[in-house]
Amino acid sequence: GAVVSQHPSRVICKSGTSVKIECRSLDFQATTMFWYRQFPKKSLMLMATSNEGSKATYEQGVEKDKFLINHASLTLSTLTVTSAHPEDSSFYICSALRASGGAGTEAFFGQGTRLTVV
Amino acid sequence: QKEVEQNSGPLSVPEGAIASLNCTYSDRGSQSFFWYRQYSGKSPELIMFIYSNGDKEDGRFTAQLNKASQYVSLLIRDSQPSDSATYLCAVRRGGKLIFGQGTELSVKP
Repeated sequence: GAVVSQHPSRVICKSGTSVKIECRSLDFQATTMFWYRQFPKKSLMLMATSNEGSKATYEQGVEKDKFLINHASLTLSTLTVTSAHPEDSSFYICSALRASGGAGTEAFFGQGTRLTVV
Repeated sequence: QKEVEQNSGPLSVPEGAIASLNCTYSDRGSQSFFWYRQYSGKSPELIMFIYSNGDKEDGRFTAQLNKASQYVSLLIRDSQPSDSATYLCAVRRGGKLIFGQGTELSVKP
């Protein structure tokens, strides 16, 4: 399968600070990447769709000024959690779409980032 | 109604048995269907995908799709304790991947 690298895997930050999470597709170009958030024992909640060279599309209820997404190249998307608060503590996961043969595309996931805001 | 629904489980099967995981979806226009496995604290990993009605087999895994019934399932043959994980069903809608809540599978030795 394709490789998507997400960094850092774990971060602890103080309340009020900002945290940047990187998502890289290592062996393919990804015009589209997605950012998810997952609470313990819950499913993945789609936060936003990141398209290379354009503004991200946010899902309803997700604050775009709080969760800044940049997709500056075909292999890199970043999520910045601004002015983090304890309720932002969660598992953040990115995925990148790779075109496959035939009808569709496949989504590959990064390793995830465990964010703890203290 | 949730867009993608799964029984959260837990589903418990003995080692060597067949585990059957089910998923229904609400958007009849959905085209692509995916099964992911997620171990605790890890990100999901793709098991298989299916686009056409019928069965698709890959090793011990078989995905089944019935678009008329809006139903997709995953069968795991000869279940192993290492298969114990949460299995996520996902449906592609307009380029986005929408996940069900996941079914927790426990394979008992």
